[in-house]
Amino acid sequence: AQKVTQAQTEISVVEKEDVTLDCVYETRDTTYYLFWYKQPPSGELVFLIRRNSFDEQNEISGRYSWNFQKSTSSFNFTITASQVVDSAVYFCALSDYSGAGSYQLTFGKGTKLSVIP
Amino acid sequence: EAQVTQNPRYLITVTGKKLTVTCSQNMNHEYMSWYRQDPGLGLRQIYYSMNVEVTDKGDVPEGYKVSRKEKRNFPLILESPSPNQTSLYFCASSAGQGAYEQYFGPGTRLTVT
Repeated sequence: AQKVTQAQTEISVVEKEDVTLDCVYETRDTTYYLFWYKQPPSGELVFLIRRNSFDEQNEISGRYSWNFQKSTSSFNFTITASQVVDSAVYFCALSDYSGAGSYQLTFGKGTKLSVIP
Repeated sequence: EAQVTQNPRYLITVTGKKLTVTCSQNMNHEYMSWYRQDPGLGLRQIYYSMNVEVTDKGDVPEGYKVSRKEKRNFPLILESPSPNQTSLYFCASSAGQGAYEQYFGPGTRLTVT
């Protein structure tokens, strides 16, 4: 079963628009961790944020903000006043316990964001 | 500089010719893993290693081997590559599992003809 769903395959916005990237996850664990990573056109993967399941406080970092809602199993990512440099593929990921002392890390399929000048 | 390095960055090979993609990290990380990235499929884990001499299968291990003889190195081995292994491969390391973020290498673009 898919554990991380990023329903938006591709999104295009005009520069300065706000955009929200959706992430819905599935887990039976009460302790788990959620991540967002960015992959710009150059190809490298860059860590953006981590949230643990006990911390539902929203996070804001400059133009980026994250909304974590356990009630809807969602961890959405909003970019305010988007810029061309935000154009990238964004991955949401879930780390939860898989047994035998091991955690499983599962990535969503990614959302490609294009910001048009 | 803290980093994960992979070599080669680009590789074109033929079916059946054994190859190795090297991965090395300088952060003294316990956990290392390999992913492949394919269009429409996102990142899928191939193998991971929780420590030296401890490795386990990820979601798509068929056709791959790994070894972890030293903490810093985690090579990916394709004993008999096939065209369906054409992909973009990423090595990653982290201080541990669970709450720790992954540090990714620059990627290796592999084409098997």
